[in-house]
Amino acid sequence: ILNVEQSPQSLHVQEGDSTNFTCSFPSSNFYALHWYRWETAKSPEALFVMTLNGDEKKKGRISATLNTKEGYSYLYIKGSQPEDSATYLCAFPSYNQGGKLIFGQGTELSVKP
Amino acid sequence: DAGVIQSPRHEVTEMGQEVTLRCKPISGHDYLFWYRQTMMRGLELLIYFNNNVPIDDSGMPEDRFSAKMPNASFSTLKIQPSEPRDSAVYFCASSLVGSPLHFGNGTRLTVT
Repeated sequence: ILNVEQSPQSLHVQEGDSTNFTCSFPSSNFYALHWYRWETAKSPEALFVMTLNGDEKKKGRISATLNTKEGYSYLYIKGSQPEDSATYLCAFPSYNQGGKLIFGQGTELSVKP
Repeated sequence: DAGVIQSPRHEVTEMGQEVTLRCKPISGHDYLFWYRQTMMRGLELLIYFNNNVPIDDSGMPEDRFSAKMPNASFSTLKIQPSEPRDSAVYFCASSLVGSPLHFGNGTRLTVT
């Protein structure tokens, strides 16, 4: 059974703080890693799909890095804003057909004004 | 594109009743997934289809759950008979191979 682990489970920061959290995944048979943002009472929305070791992707104040050899990815948020409050999920396809996306439990971020 | 469309948004039913959840994927997407959100397990994959064919249903909790995809634009998840422990938010998502998932708004199921 594949295990996708995220840490921390929850994070409380002040507006303006920068923050980061981790996703760990099996390093063998890597195909891709997805990051999603999930606001309360909404559905998850894709942030990034990362495929190459050393990849770094950026969307506004949010960026992500990928290390496929050691099996981890970091998500960074620079200058957190209250609207960044959400659960951030990473997900790992179980084999290279890209199906069966296995989600981590998520990191719940709360940004206080 | 309207995105992934799920219906109903909310369903309240009594234990023992049959429940049918519906999903219309994004046109052209060849993968369709059914997930369940619970407090204990987060987003739990129930079943997924590729080109309308069920590929992996190992996440379906028990025989009371069944899913079909009769054509590329429609899928159903059926629970018969329903039980209170089935209460959860059920999400449908679709994608192309290697692309991120596009989720519907979910169906909140309450079984009393």
